[in-house]
This record gives sequence, structure tokens and C-alpha cells, in this order.
Amino acid sequence: QQPVQSPQAVILREGEDAVINCSSSKALYSVHWYRQKHGEAPVFLMILLKGGEQKGHEKISASFNEKKQQSSLYLTASQLSYSGTYFCGTPIHAGGTSYGKLTFGQGTILTVHP
Amino acid sequence: EPEVTQTPSHQVTQMGQEVILRCVPISNHLYFYWYRQILGQKVEFLVSFYNNEISEKSEIFDDQFSVERPDGSNFTLKIRSTKLEDSAMYFCASSQQPSGNTIYFGEGSWLTVV
Repeated sequence: QQPVQSPQAVILREGEDAVINCSSSKALYSVHWYRQKHGEAPVFLMILLKGGEQKGHEKISASFNEKKQQSSLYLTASQLSYSGTYFCGTPIHAGGTSYGKLTFGQGTILTVHP
Repeated sequence: EPEVTQTPSHQVTQMGQEVILRCVPISNHLYFYWYRQILGQKVEFLVSFYNNEISEKSEIFDDQFSVERPDGSNFTLKIRSTKLEDSAMYFCASSQQPSGNTIYFGEGSWLTVV
């Protein structure tokens, strides 16, 4: 069962902020965030491995609420280069051991305009 | 930075023909994967491979598909008799560990079946 992302699409002007949510009806043991530009491979952003964990790199950060079975990706002061489709991926087996079988959400299309 | 490399980047084949997609995972990685993305859709897991055998496979990975690690560096995906619906971008990926670890994607091989 795939995680559900919201919103499906976001349109921003440069400098604006956005939040992308990823939720699951089943327990989440870890959450992987990727960004994919059109025609390119998904690029790893970050993994969150345990509840309450927060990570960030420059102006992109994420949180993981294990109890609520959700993760959020925060993009602040967006840049044109942030445009792309953001996917969250989760392993679906107990304990997170999945041999790399990530089930991805349907993606959130982020468009940043000048 | 080490990367996963894939060949060919694009292949056009006739329905019923066999196709082999090749991948060179990151050298110190032990877990290898194939994912597929049909145009406009999300990335889907096909198969994971560890210690020279399939660890896990999805429903998509039927008898028409096979994977092999013919030598110490290459990892291949073979589609025996291609169908129109096999047209997609195929991503190879690798990781050091199976879970809680970054999965690095290659640039993809775009397969068009005509």
C-alpha cells in the first residue's frame, strides 16, 4: 500500500515556502525523500529513520512523526532549482527491512517561478 | 562522487524482441535494484538482488524478466519478449545496506517498445 502525498502540485514564486506531506495507513519505519526532474533519475534528498527525527540541508528539511505515520518535507525560500517532482518512499516490511523495496507515493509536482 | 551508471540511455525495440539493460552499481554496494517508471507515473519497484540471488520481487517482475550479475561489476535486467506496456524508464539502483540506507539511482534507460 503506497504512501499518500499531499498536495499533488504546488506552484510557488521564488523565495516562497512549501510543505509536502507524506502519510501512510500502515506503520512507517523510515521515510526516504527524493526529487526528480523531468527525464532524470530520482535524486536522494534525505532519510528519516525514527520518530521525531528531523533533518535538513540548507533550506530543505524534513520531519518524521512516527505516531501519526507521516513525514513532512519543508522547502523554505524556494529557488528555481527546487522545481521537480518530490517523492516519498517507504519500506513496507516490519522493522524497515525491505531489501530496498521502497514503495513511493504518487509524487508532488513543485513548480517555482521567477 | 560515485554513481550508478546505466546503458543504454535509450533503446527502441520491436514487440517480442529481447532486451538487456545494463547497470554498473556503485563499487562498494552490495544490494542492487531495478525500478520502473512509466511515463507520467510514479517509480515502481521491480526487484532487489543480493548475494547473487533475488531478494524480493514485485508482481510486475514476471517470468518475462530476469536479472543477472554476470561479473563483479555489471548488473543486468533482461526482458525476454517485450510488450508494448514494457515501455518505460528503467532505473537501476544500489545501496550498501538494505534498509535505512540511501538508495542511489542511475540515470535510467528509456525503453520504447514499438
